[in-house]
Amino acid sequence: RKEVEQDPGPFNVPEGATVAFNCTYSNSASQSFFWYRQDCRKEPKLLMSVYSSGNEDGRFTAQLNRASQYISLLIRDSKLSDSATYLCAVSGFQKLVFGTGTRLLVSP
Amino acid sequence: GAVVSQHPSWVICKSGTSVKIECRSLDFQATTMFWYRQFPKQSLMLMATSNEGSKATYEQGVEKDKFLINHASLTLSTLTVTSAHPEDSSFYICSARSPGGGTGAYEQYFGPGTRLTVT
Repeated sequence: RKEVEQDPGPFNVPEGATVAFNCTYSNSASQSFFWYRQDCRKEPKLLMSVYSSGNEDGRFTAQLNRASQYISLLIRDSKLSDSATYLCAVSGFQKLVFGTGTRLLVSP
Repeated sequence: GAVVSQHPSWVICKSGTSVKIECRSLDFQATTMFWYRQFPKQSLMLMATSNEGSKATYEQGVEKDKFLINHASLTLSTLTVTSAHPEDSSFYICSARSPGGGTGAYEQYFGPGTRLTVT
């Protein structure tokens, strides 16, 4: 079983839609959780950290469920510019382990 | 967020030659930097963890004699791909860890990556 698993997608949604991604992790000792965005042929950029209490940044909401060992990302009111690959990342003491990413395509 | 630079952004080299990639944290000191490799349509795979002033820690399956890592200062780590072969062609990305907020979570910021093509 992979340490971090994501549905690769692609998720095809129209502008304005709400879309949610899930990511599961296998190491129950994981301490930190993140969502990154990666555009084609570019480096990942930190989108947001994920906290136990859940956190929101504009149209983006991240949730962590430690009991079920998954994190989620909700994007409301999708924009064309949201099209990208979204990577979840899970960290223990030092190492950050990435999922394979979920590709999102937002169409007009 | 913190800024990490990487040089060169792309390089083409002949099989058998060596290539050095530099990773710099520009506005913070990074005691730990990480080197990743990403093949097309695959996830980032951690190659090694680079600690300032000590030997790098390599992930399983990564040849330390082929991928030489030097972290001589708090702002610079280098990766040298020795005797490169076509199968080493990939997107190499470094990242540096900076302390996060009160949660104690450490966030990693990535360099723009180096696209290596070995002919």
